[in-house]
Amino acid sequence: GAVVSQHPSRVICKSGTSVKIECRSLDFQATTMFWYRQFPKQSLMLMATSNEGSKATYEQGVEKDKFLINHASLTLSTLTVTSAHPEDSSFYICSARGQPYEQYFGPGTRLTVT
Amino acid sequence: AQTVTQSQPEMSVQEAETVTLSCTYDTSESNYYLFWYKQPPSRQMILVIRQEAYKQQNATENRFSVNFQKAAKSFSLKISDSQLGDTAMYFCAFIRQNDYKLSFGAGTTVTVRA
Repeated sequence: GAVVSQHPSRVICKSGTSVKIECRSLDFQATTMFWYRQFPKQSLMLMATSNEGSKATYEQGVEKDKFLINHASLTLSTLTVTSAHPEDSSFYICSARGQPYEQYFGPGTRLTVT
Repeated sequence: AQTVTQSQPEMSVQEAETVTLSCTYDTSESNYYLFWYKQPPSRQMILVIRQEAYKQQNATENRFSVNFQKAAKSFSLKISDSQLGDTAMYFCAFIRQNDYKLSFGAGTTVTVRA
């Protein structure tokens, strides 16, 4: 149980375009999901907290207009990188809050902006 | 703010030997949870072990055990009988009870040699 999926696993897009990443909890309902960014050989950096039915809460320094988060259902949160640029290339990981204080992680999405 | 410090960027261990990873954290909270996560080359985050701060007994999970020293704010991970599949980056993480956000250390890359 407690499986989280992400789609796509890899995406390449051209500079200036937008790309959407989906995060789904497959066998449980997740009222809260989290989005992280990870550069090679570095730690996970929390970008935002996504709550079902309400606006996401962004961490300091994260541009909310660039990284749009929508949590429209109890099993799906999406991250849209708008007007992507090469510096947005990274590994993006989502997690879903479990009980009591665990987070279940998706497999990640590798974004490359050319 | 909470900080998690992992002072060992890389460690190498012979197969079947034991390795200990250090982690210290700083918090003013009294109730919290601590975790060790493993991130193998696939980059999927895998929970290794969990410790509730209010429990004095050190958590164990098969070949993985922790030494939790609450007063010293120390949370080390011991990997016994190391296996090649243990090769991964290991992250120490802290979560508060009131916002469910995970704070990660910088990570320790463990390489198990055959």
